[in-house]
Amino acid sequence: EVELVESGGVVVQPGGSLKISCAASGFNFEDYTMHWVRQRPGKGLEWVSLIAWDGSGTYLDSVKGRFTISRDNSRNSLYLQMHSLRSEDTALYFCAKGGVFGAWYFLDSWGQGTLVTVSS
Amino acid sequence: DIQMTQSPSSLSASVGDRITITCRASQTISTYLNWYQHKPGKAPGLLIYAASTLQSGVPSRFSASGSGTDFTLTISSLHPEDYATYYCQQSYSTPYSFGQGTKLDIK
Repeated sequence: EVELVESGGVVVQPGGSLKISCAASGFNFEDYTMHWVRQRPGKGLEWVSLIAWDGSGTYLDSVKGRFTISRDNSRNSLYLQMHSLRSEDTALYFCAKGGVFGAWYFLDSWGQGTLVTVSS
Repeated sequence: DIQMTQSPSSLSASVGDRITITCRASQTISTYLNWYQHKPGKAPGLLIYAASTLQSGVPSRFSASGSGTDFTLTISSLHPEDYATYYCQQSYSTPYSFGQGTKLDIK
C-alpha cells in the first residue's frame, strides 16, 4: 500500500527558509515522478512543483527561483527547500505520487500534508 | 498558463440526488483532465483520469466526460460519504493547474 508522510512544517518568519520532507513507501520510489501541491487557508489546491525520476524539476512561476524540489531515491524521500518565504506561501503542503497511463498524467496517491506558516 | 474554471463553486444536494459539476479550460487540453475528491483533514483522492477513466476502487456512481475545453463530473446517486470538495486538474502542460473547487454539502 502506498504511503506518503510529510513532515517539517513549522512557523517561519517572512524572508526565512525551510525544508519540508515526504517519506514514501509501498512503491518503487525511484521510478515515479513526485509532486508538491499546496492549499492556502480557505483556498483550493495549487500545484507547486514536480520532480521527474531523473531529478529534473518544474515549478509554479510564483515559486521559481525561491523553491527547489529534490529527491533522495536511496531514502525514498522527497524534499522541498523553500527560501525567501512570503506570507502568501502559508499553506498546507501535500506530497503526491505521479501516475501515468500512456500519455496521461495524474496524482494517484497523496499524503495528509504538513503546515507551513509564514508569520512574524 | 492554462486556467481552469469550475462551476458551481458550491452545491447543496440531498442523498440520492444526481449532481453534475462542470470544468472549463482556458485553452484546449484534449482529454488531459483529472478529477479529485478532498475531505477536510484528509488526503485528496484521485477519482477520474484522462477525462473519463475511473480510478481503481472508485465507485461506479462517479462518471465523467468531455474533451477539448469542457468537462463534466457526475455523481449518479449521492451517498453520505460523497460530501466533499471536488477539483478538476489539467495535465496537458505545466503548471498542472487545478480548478477552484466545488464544495458539495448536504441540503
